[in-house]
Amino acid sequence: AIQLTQSPSSLSASVGDRVTITCRASQGIGTALAWYQHKPGKAPQLLIFDASTLQGGVSSRFRGSGVSGSASGTDFRLTITSLQPEDFASYYCQQFHESPYTFGQGTKLEIK
Amino acid sequence: QVQLVQSGAEVRRPGASVKISCKASGYTFIDYYIHWVRQAPGQGLEWMGMINPKGGGSTTYAQKFQGRVTVTRETSTATVYMDVGSLTSGDTAVYYCARPKSGYANDPFDIWGPGTLVTVSS
Repeated sequence: AIQLTQSPSSLSASVGDRVTITCRASQGIGTALAWYQHKPGKAPQLLIFDASTLQGGVSSRFRGSGVSGSASGTDFRLTITSLQPEDFASYYCQQFHESPYTFGQGTKLEIK
Repeated sequence: QVQLVQSGAEVRRPGASVKISCKASGYTFIDYYIHWVRQAPGQGLEWMGMINPKGGGSTTYAQKFQGRVTVTRETSTATVYMDVGSLTSGDTAVYYCARPKSGYANDPFDIWGPGTLVTVSS
């Protein structure tokens, strides 16, 4: 199974900051990667699909990208600009290159 | 609107089984796979398996759950069921059903159920 490794596992930031979360796949997955936001007591929300396409209704402060030069799609980033109070949550990447459709271990974004 | 409604919280003893449901509405049920994802306390999201509601209802499971998890569907009521057997405390988790954006199995999930808490305790 493809393993996804997210870093950092936790992150403290302030309102207005810009933060970046990375997700590394154990093998090339092209652009078959999605990012979700997950808040306690709620269902996960799709933010980004196809590595860099913003899901409808999601703020443009969220940006997904593949790291240039990474071999066949192994390194990805989620960048959140101008952090807002509602952005403090956990974030997960998920690959759709092949079943099982594994998730990264998550990144918890906390208020500094 | 498109939504997935899940059954309520369950409590089971170790060794027992639990069957939770996910009722779809607002779209053509057989046109979209349904996936199951769980989150144990303090842990991350874990993909468990999926079902194609069309035709024979083919299923795919993560290897970890093979033989212990069974996903079925009832097209007449647009409901998917997941049966988890031989429960241990490690199965205490919130279980989510989720629907991909398109009719393909390997598409990200834009519709999620609210989750069902399963507690396994003696």
